[in-house]
Amino acid sequence: ETGVTQTPRHLVMGMTNKKSLKCEQHLGHNAMYWYKQSAKKPLELMFVYNFKEQTENNSVPSRFSPECPNSSHLFLHLHTLQPEDSALYLCASTPNSFRAPLEEKLFFGSGTQLSVL
Amino acid sequence: TQLLEQSPQFLSIQEGENLTVYCNSSSVFSSLQWYRQEPGEGPVLLVTVVTGGEVKKLKRLTFQFGDARKDSSLHITAAQPGDTGLYLCAGVREYGNKLVFGAGTILRVKS
Repeated sequence: ETGVTQTPRHLVMGMTNKKSLKCEQHLGHNAMYWYKQSAKKPLELMFVYNFKEQTENNSVPSRFSPECPNSSHLFLHLHTLQPEDSALYLCASTPNSFRAPLEEKLFFGSGTQLSVL
Repeated sequence: TQLLEQSPQFLSIQEGENLTVYCNSSSVFSSLQWYRQEPGEGPVLLVTVVTGGEVKKLKRLTFQFGDARKDSSLHITAAQPGDTGLYLCAGVREYGNKLVFGAGTILRVKS
């Protein structure tokens, strides 16, 4: 089983829909991350959770709402998205975000390819 | 302007050719990482370099960190179709605590 699993792999939604992205890690890590990847742009860090507590919100619009019920699961709740939110959303984990990124590498999931119509 | 500029943006070569991709900045970095992202997958870390002038080899891949720690290069010898993917550099600026990414180089190796 892969270390970081994301579902669904693909999602198409209208601007008025509500959907959720799910991430699960089986590595025993304590920190989890949401990144946005758009074509020809650098990965954008969205949120960081460490031991279930949000430690970073990178000025993300409120139409994106993260949830971290425990150290193994991370959700991204989506509502009233815009077409420019279409992108690949990547989840990642590290043992502990306070030592990352200098000492620890990111383990990424395969991502959810989101299209907003 | 991006903090980490990667070049070229896209590279298409024949199997067996050699290539070099670059990651450049005007800032000094404490460390630089290289990731490879295959189509339909997430990025996977290849290497981390931390010392100016450092050279690391991973089979046919050679990574170099510039002496001034402002740039890095990835050289692939005798490229294979399995090397196809998006190559991302990422780094932590000196005195910083955030990992920033470049936009990547898309490599396509044709058989």
